[in-house]
Amino acid sequence: KAGVTQTPRYLIKTRGQQVTLSCSPISGHRSVSWYQQTPGQGLQFLFEYFSETQRNKGNFPGRFSGRQFSNSRSEMNVSTLELGDSALYLCASSSRTASYNEQFFGPGTRLTVL
Amino acid sequence: SQQGEEDPQALSIQEGENATMNCSYKTSINNLQWYRQNSGRGLVHLILIRSNEREKHSGRLRVTLDTSKKSSSLLITASRAADTASYFCATDLLKGGYNKLIFGAGTRLAVHP
Repeated sequence: KAGVTQTPRYLIKTRGQQVTLSCSPISGHRSVSWYQQTPGQGLQFLFEYFSETQRNKGNFPGRFSGRQFSNSRSEMNVSTLELGDSALYLCASSSRTASYNEQFFGPGTRLTVL
Repeated sequence: SQQGEEDPQALSIQEGENATMNCSYKTSINNLQWYRQNSGRGLVHLILIRSNEREKHSGRLRVTLDTSKKSSSLLITASRAADTASYFCATDLLKGGYNKLIFGAGTRLAVHP
């Protein structure tokens, strides 16, 4: 099976702009989670989607939003970008049938806000 | 805030030596997972240990879990230069909700030829 894919891999934006990142999970996986990784805060959970519904959310401002489509692909959006949003954004997919939450990560999208 | 604390923060060893990394956490968990990350790339899943398991092996990896001490360790035996990476533990909390992993700060491992 193909792994988790994320597009784009690199992105440069300026403050105040908005950005949309995309994640395609492993075929058959219906859960997609998003994480932000920064040198200062480390890896932090953003939100999780399953069957187009957000089931879990981390402690991020409302500028961070996401959605999931019927084919399980997910997008996350960050509006009114701030310098502090510069980070590696990782998505992970998981199989609902697993009795444990083994998550498989994509290569990430490196966002730089100038 | 992060659930896990990992130590050491950095570890430098020679090829062939063993590397041990430790992880502690604060609240009850469903399972604990270890991941590897090379130079800011994606995370590679290494091993998952459930809360009712005490030890698990996968190739050169050995993971232990002590729920009474809320701690886990990852042992890499006979290390290779290719093992150079950052290693993270991640906990799936008992009451954390779906697929929400809480990561430790990570251990940077450098294996020298």
